[in-house]
Amino acid sequence: AQSVTQLDSHVSVSEGTPVLLRCNYSSSYSPSLFWYVQHPNKGLQLLLKYTSAATLVKGINGFEAEFKKSETSFHLTKPSAHMSDAAEYFCVVSGSGGAGNMLTFGGGTRLMVKP
Amino acid sequence: DVKVTQSSRYLVKRTGEKVFLECVQDMDHENMFWYRQDPGLGLRLIYFSYDVKMKEKGDIPEGYSVSREKKERFSLILESASTNQTSMYLCASGREVRSYEQYFGPGTRLTVT
Repeated sequence: AQSVTQLDSHVSVSEGTPVLLRCNYSSSYSPSLFWYVQHPNKGLQLLLKYTSAATLVKGINGFEAEFKKSETSFHLTKPSAHMSDAAEYFCVVSGSGGAGNMLTFGGGTRLMVKP
Repeated sequence: DVKVTQSSRYLVKRTGEKVFLECVQDMDHENMFWYRQDPGLGLRLIYFSYDVKMKEKGDIPEGYSVSREKKERFSLILESASTNQTSMYLCASGREVRSYEQYFGPGTRLTVT
């Protein structure tokens, strides 16, 4: 079985300051990990992915995430927040379990960016 | 660009009504998925389909059924809507069943009164 825990349901930052969205996972397999972003009234979009290559993964819009196996973490960061980053972010683990266990989503973190 | 469209953005139905949610994708993907999204719970898989007329249960199939008569179209059916099915429903499509490369529609917000 696998699970994903996003440690903060809401994060608020000021524009121009760093962003940190925290994610911990558990998996019986070597996991693939992803971050998806959902802007208001839009579908989910893949932000970045880790699939057992480099542990530091760069995504779109200046985001990156680091896979730390020893800490079972996959935190999402960005050096400088922009107003357009305000959205909900989902950490996702892909397992090789049963048919109904393909993508497991965390509960989501809503990022608010203050001017 | 991959496009996944859902028939309605907002829907209000009464308890006991039969509800159809439609999803269409234009990328010739074999696999299609239905999720529901609830605050704090993320997305949970209801059903998926890996081919026409083929379907598999996801994590929370109770109270739902699906239909896939054509490759591009995947329907979610609530046989008798209940208030606990009030939620956001997201459809997705992709080439690989276990791939993270799923493309999502904008969602249908269903309210059952």
